Amino acid sequence: AQSVTQPDIHITVSEGASLELRCNYSYGATPYLFWYVQSPGQGLQLLLKYFSGDTLVQGIKGFEAEFKRSQSSFNLRKPSVHWSDAAEYFCAVGGGSGTYKYIFGTGTRLKVLA
Amino acid sequence: DAGVIQSPRHEVTEMGQEVTLRCKPISGHNSLFWYRQTMMRGLELLIYFNNNVPIDDSGMPEDRFSAKMPNASFSTLKIQPSEPRDSAVYFCASSLGVTNEKLFFGSGTQLSVL
Repeated sequence: AQSVTQPDIHITVSEGASLELRCNYSYGATPYLFWYVQSPGQGLQLLLKYFSGDTLVQGIKGFEAEFKRSQSSFNLRKPSVHWSDAAEYFCAVGGGSGTYKYIFGTGTRLKVLA
Repeated sequence: DAGVIQSPRHEVTEMGQEVTLRCKPISGHNSLFWYRQTMMRGLELLIYFNNNVPIDDSGMPEDRFSAKMPNASFSTLKIQPSEPRDSAVYFCASSLGVTNEKLFFGSGTQLSVL
């Protein structure tokens, strides 16, 4: 079955610390992978996406993610977290031509300590 | 570009009442999605339109839910009659292409059915 798992519901980090949010997927076809961020009271905003090529992708706001096919993972990272990064982060997977359905993970809520 | 515009931002209604949620997609986008977000189920795709035509409504939970897209710049999601279990945040999203495109989300409608 197709699925996306974000094992961490909540993560708390100190400002300036590094961050890694985990995402594992199960998908029969070649996955197209996304990370979205949702600030309180707002809709989701795309941080980055991976379709093919270099497995390390750069996104907005200093985020990056690495696709590891062998581990079925697409973890999101940031070397130094800012207080404004506090939000909820969603991993999503879609796949292939003709596919419009995106499967979203349940999200990871990030809290940043000053 | 004003982004995807949803109204109202908040809706409080009583069980049994009709609720209509509205969405204006980004101009030029030909795909429109309605999602529902709850704590228990995360983000669920309700219905997908392409070029104003409903392509997939398999996510619509019951006959009480209906959606229309009379033109490229407007869509509605209607719940009649509403029930407390319909309480959720409803998001509209649009994208430029058909598949694996970046989704642009509106700010959502927080629906509370008492």
